[in-house]
Amino acid sequence: DIQMTQTTSSLSASLGDRVTISCSASQGISNYLNWYQQKPDGTVKLLIYYTSSLHSGVPSRFSGSGSGTDYSLTISNLEPEDIATYYCQQYSKLPWTFGGGTKLEIK
Amino acid sequence: QVQLQQSGAELVRPGTSVKVSCKASGYAFTNYLIEWVKQRPGQGLEWIGVINPGSGGTNYNEKFKGKATLTADKSSSTAYMQLSSLTSDDSAVYFCAREGWDGGYFDVWGAGTTVTVSS
Repeated sequence: DIQMTQTTSSLSASLGDRVTISCSASQGISNYLNWYQQKPDGTVKLLIYYTSSLHSGVPSRFSGSGSGTDYSLTISNLEPEDIATYYCQQYSKLPWTFGGGTKLEIK
Repeated sequence: QVQLQQSGAELVRPGTSVKVSCKASGYAFTNYLIEWVKQRPGQGLEWIGVINPGSGGTNYNEKFKGKATLTADKSSSTAYMQLSSLTSDDSAVYFCAREGWDGGYFDVWGAGTTVTVSS
């Protein structure tokens, strides 16, 4: 199975900050990488698919980048509603696998 | 609008089975795959498997073969996941999600169903 690693399990930032969350795959995944947001109430939403495509309705302050084994999600101008846990997920090879999550908190 | 409505929380005994439902609305049920994901308390997300509601075809994470069985009822636009021989390790929130039209990403999620296995 492809292992997805989010080395930062929690992150604290101030409102208005630019935040970058990283994700690394155990082998190349050819940009088949998605990002999800899980709010404290458990609700899960798709943010970014195929590394950098913004899902419909997602604010433009969210962006994704990366290639090969290393990928990142950037939130520019952090807002209070961005408090959540963020997960990466690869779909290069079955079984689909997720990173362990990065919990974002406000300073 | 597009929605996946999951069944309510379950409290079940060890060794028994439970069936979780996921009712789709707002789109053509048979045109999109339905995925299932497990989340243990305080833990990350784990992919269980996927079903094609149109054909009934399934694909499972090897880890969940023999544990989870995925089915779908086209007449009611509902997907189901049955979990068998339950143990405390199966206590978790289970999500269903729709796979996007061009594959690999989960664009609509249900709210999750909490399954608690306890005697």
